[in-house]
Amino acid sequence: QQPVQSPQAVILREGEDAVINCSSSKALYSVHWYRQKHGEAPVFLMILLKGGEQKGHDKISASFNEKKQQSSLYLTASQLSYSGTYFCGTGNTGNQFYFGTGTSLTVIP
Amino acid sequence: NAGVTQTPKFRVLKTGQSMTLLCAQDMNHEYMYWYRQDPGMGLRLIHYSVGEGTTAKGEVPDGYNVSRLKKQNFLLGLESAAPSQTSVYFCASRDLRDRGYTFGSGTRLTVV
Repeated sequence: QQPVQSPQAVILREGEDAVINCSSSKALYSVHWYRQKHGEAPVFLMILLKGGEQKGHDKISASFNEKKQQSSLYLTASQLSYSGTYFCGTGNTGNQFYFGTGTSLTVIP
Repeated sequence: NAGVTQTPKFRVLKTGQSMTLLCAQDMNHEYMYWYRQDPGMGLRLIHYSVGEGTTAKGEVPDGYNVSRLKKQNFLLGLESAAPSQTSVYFCASRDLRDRGYTFGSGTRLTVV
């Protein structure tokens, strides 16, 4: 049930771009993205509900391909504050919701 | 503007002891969840509730029990703690409109 994320870890220099992928073996109704700083709780970034939908906030955006059961998170011109672990979360039409194993993102000067 | 509050923040238990983790939310959310987080395994769903008086099992429910007697509170119980239950536990809630989850700050539990 747990979605699979790739890559598991990535190191970037400030200003570089990154893509984090999330895929599921089950049909999806929604995809969430969260960021977790070390020792803190996950913080909600965005939710995508429709197939092919794209959303964005500042330099972080995401896409959701319902047919392929995949979502991608795009981080553009990364900043030091982007460092953390990114989780996707996927839900079906029921009430269960599962998080991926996470992608560790480190941005260095 | 409290959001989701978890107590306690840290706890050390001996094998076989019992304890209850409390989660309280002040956002009038219908859905509440308990997750555990272990290194390399992400967040795994233990139990969840879709409303007052209801509970359901997630993917790793063994060794845990829950109760939702009031809409704002969701309790996670360990009847007989085992070292395998050493983990960080997060409570989360959301409303009916499938908006993002709001997480508590977590409880770090060590069973020795």
